[in-house]
Amino acid sequence: GAVVSQHPSRVICKSGTSVKIECRSLDFQATTMFWYRQFPKQSLMLMATSNEGSKATYEQGVEKDKFLINHASLTLSTLTVTSAHPEDSSFYICSARAVRTGDLRSPLHFGNGTRLTVT
Amino acid sequence: AQKITQTQPGMFVQEKEAVTLDCTYDTSDPSYGLFWYKQPSSGEMIFLIYQGSYDQQNATEGRYSLNFQKARKSANLVISASQLGDSAMYFCAMTPPGGNMLTFGGGTRLMVKP
Repeated sequence: GAVVSQHPSRVICKSGTSVKIECRSLDFQATTMFWYRQFPKQSLMLMATSNEGSKATYEQGVEKDKFLINHASLTLSTLTVTSAHPEDSSFYICSARAVRTGDLRSPLHFGNGTRLTVT
Repeated sequence: AQKITQTQPGMFVQEKEAVTLDCTYDTSDPSYGLFWYKQPSSGEMIFLIYQGSYDQQNATEGRYSLNFQKARKSANLVISASQLGDSAMYFCAMTPPGGNMLTFGGGTRLMVKP
């Protein structure tokens, strides 16, 4: 079945540094990928929609200069948390749907998530 | 705008018994999709079941079934014969027409007692 790989699974960084998270679709192409953030004991909140070959679309309240998204190919989207601060510590998870399947029935496939801790 | 509500923050169920996790939604779109995902403590999101707004029958996938009541805008998940491995967070989610992004409910933590 369709697989989305997310790397790294866990990262600890110092305040002020930048962290890059990769999301790859392994056996399908994805023109659109989605980045979610999940704080402890809370639900997933959509941060942005990553569009292959064009700019990402950010949800209200998400700083586009802080959370840089690049979708350079049909199988890779990256999220870079720039100048990370402790309040950016969270679980980040990406999802994608196969490009040829516009069917609502096709589930979105999720990566395994990245737990970011900023010290 | 779409909204998903899960009113049960936590649920206990005895092993081998059935349990129903509630989900209500609000949308003005006539076409939408409803999903349930399971999130174990490791964090990954595991797809369980899907219901389309125009589907005439309730969806079933193994031990999972979805009690879809369109007029009441509810899409409750029923897990039959609970197992210890079912202990996890469960999220109800919805897609709009065109259906790529998901709007999630707040989740229900299910704990299965031996």
